[in-house]
Amino acid sequence: GDSVTQMEGPVTLSEEAFLTINCTYTATGYPSLFWYVQYPGEGLQLLLKATKADDKGSNKGFEATYRKETTSFHLEKGSVQVSDSAVYFCALRASGGYQKVTFGTGTKLQVIP
Amino acid sequence: GAGVSQSPSNKVTEKGKDVELRCDPISGHTALYWYRQSLGQGLEFLIYFQGNSAPDKSGLPSDRFSAERTGGSVSTLTIQRTQQEDSAVYLCASSLASGPTYTDTQYFGPGTRLTVL
Repeated sequence: GDSVTQMEGPVTLSEEAFLTINCTYTATGYPSLFWYVQYPGEGLQLLLKATKADDKGSNKGFEATYRKETTSFHLEKGSVQVSDSAVYFCALRASGGYQKVTFGTGTKLQVIP
Repeated sequence: GAGVSQSPSNKVTEKGKDVELRCDPISGHTALYWYRQSLGQGLEFLIYFQGNSAPDKSGLPSDRFSAERTGGSVSTLTIQRTQQEDSAVYLCASSLASGPTYTDTQYFGPGTRLTVL
């Protein structure tokens, strides 16, 4: 079945450091890929998405590129801020039919001043 | 506009009791999902409603769990004879559509924190 694997957390970075959170997936066909973010005390919200190979999703300085050849969708940001501290979830939605979304286990990011 | 709302926000119950959790999706959203988030775990899919189609119940962990969606809007998740391992945050999400050509954003509610003593 479909699955998403994320790097284990927590990830602790200093402010202005470069961030990479790895995400790989297993799915048939061409799934859509997502990153959701859950800030402390808030609900999950979409951060970015990509719907086909080589697409790059971007938002709030975060980027992720849909890599079909490596089945990956790694999240990157060039310079993190304290306000980026949150839990980040990678997710996929398989193509074809009425498919549910499958989430990874989440990666907690803590940015220290 | 109004987002997805869930009630109650917190529920403490005794083992063996039944509980009902409610989700009000965003008006006009045809797809509705229930997830469970246990401490330190990811999001576990429970059930998915899409319009008038039969729901996808493949994620329900046991027959103690059931859900319904009345009139294509409000949904209720019922857990019968609760067990301590049912303790988790139960999240509801809705999206505008969820067909083969859609990749619609899911909008999540704040969740219901269930504690089974």
